[in-house]
Amino acid sequence: RKEVEQDPGPFNVPEGATVAFNCTYSNSASQSFFWYRQDCRKEPKLLMSVYSSGNEDGRFTAQLNRASQYISLLIRDSKLSDSATYLCVVNNAGNMLTFGGGTRLMVKP
Amino acid sequence: NAGVMQNPRHLVRRRGQEARLRCSPMKGHSHVYWYRQLPEEGLKFMVYLQKENIIDESGMPKERFSAEFPKEGPSILRIQQVVRGDSAAYFCASSPGLWETQYFGPGTRLLVL
Repeated sequence: RKEVEQDPGPFNVPEGATVAFNCTYSNSASQSFFWYRQDCRKEPKLLMSVYSSGNEDGRFTAQLNRASQYISLLIRDSKLSDSATYLCVVNNAGNMLTFGGGTRLMVKP
Repeated sequence: NAGVMQNPRHLVRRRGQEARLRCSPMKGHSHVYWYRQLPEEGLKFMVYLQKENIIDESGMPKERFSAEFPKEGPSILRIQQVVRGDSAAYFCASSPGLWETQYFGPGTRLLVL
């Protein structure tokens, strides 16, 4: 079993749609959680950290459920520029990020 | 404030040659991490270094791979006697401390012919 699991997609949605991605992690001792975005052949860029209380940044909302070991990302009012691969990332040991395989999003006009 | 810098951005090597990948962390960051992304796969941790010290190399292949972060100059990831399976994107990240956000460089794409 992979340590961080994501549905690879692709999710094909029209502009303006709301889309949700889910992720599960296996290490109950995991301490910090992130969503990164990776555009084709580029480096991962931090989208947002994820907190137990949930957090929002503009059109993006992230949720963490420690009991279920489940992380989610909600994107409202999708834009063409949101097309990318979204990486669920867990930090267990302070120094090592563990990446999910990524969920590919394609937003179409 | 310049971000994490990596060079070269693209590197082509023939089987059996050596590859040297360089990473300069963001200003003020003393923690450096190397990750590898094989084609169509997710990023995998390789090694974590601080100045002059390898802290965690649990993700490094046992042979041919080495890393350093000298007192002066960039961090270097060295791959000796490259094989086709080493073809991948190698990303470096840096952070100001443990448990802090890691920022990634643009990566070096290694192609082994």
